[in-house]
Amino acid sequence: EIVLTQSPGTLSLSPGERATLSCRASQNIVGSYLAWYQQKRGQAPRLLIFVASYRATGVPDRFTGSGSGTDFTLTISRLEPEDFAVYYCQQYGSSPFTFGPGTKVDI
Amino acid sequence: EVQVVESGGGLVQPGGSLRLSCTASGFIFGAYGMSWVRQVPGKGLEWVSSISGSGGTTFYADSVKGRFSISRANPTNTLYLVMNSLRAEDTALYYCAKGGRQQPSDSWGQGTLVTVSS
Repeated sequence: EIVLTQSPGTLSLSPGERATLSCRASQNIVGSYLAWYQQKRGQAPRLLIFVASYRATGVPDRFTGSGSGTDFTLTISRLEPEDFAVYYCQQYGSSPFTFGPGTKVDI
Repeated sequence: EVQVVESGGGLVQPGGSLRLSCTASGFIFGAYGMSWVRQVPGKGLEWVSSISGSGGTTFYADSVKGRFSISRANPTNTLYLVMNSLRAEDTALYYCAKGGRQQPSDSWGQGTLVTVSS
């Protein structure tokens, strides 16, 4: 089983600042089948990034995914008020398709 | 517009069974894998199970293997999750999502709440 570790657990920032979220895998993720999701309170998760670096439809370009192998990063270049949420990474290449524990981005 | 809508949640006693359904629209259902993901309120996401587009391949988390069964009916665009031998720790909001192995979960329902309690 591929275990995903996300850091930091909480990121306290202000609007306009840059956010850098890390997702580290216990094994190589073949094919870079790594996704990032955003979840706001009371809402379902929303896909932001797939295959490590491809933005999903409608996702603003301030969200950038990067990385390969075991180390992946989600960068939000300039935080907007609506970006304060919890972010999860997930590997969907080999079963079990595990999620990381999440990073909360708050003010 | 892609939509997935879950139903079938509710209160069930420990050891009991429940069947969740997910009705999909807005895409070619049989062309995509589908998944169930659960979340205890206030906690993180836990992948539960996925199924290939044809239904021929299924995947389960160790925590539910042998107790839960995923299936799909492509002619009616419906995904199912049959849950047996339910435990208190299965209490969660269960999401249906479009996507599976090597397919990101790009559309999610609003979830159906399962509560296992006596």
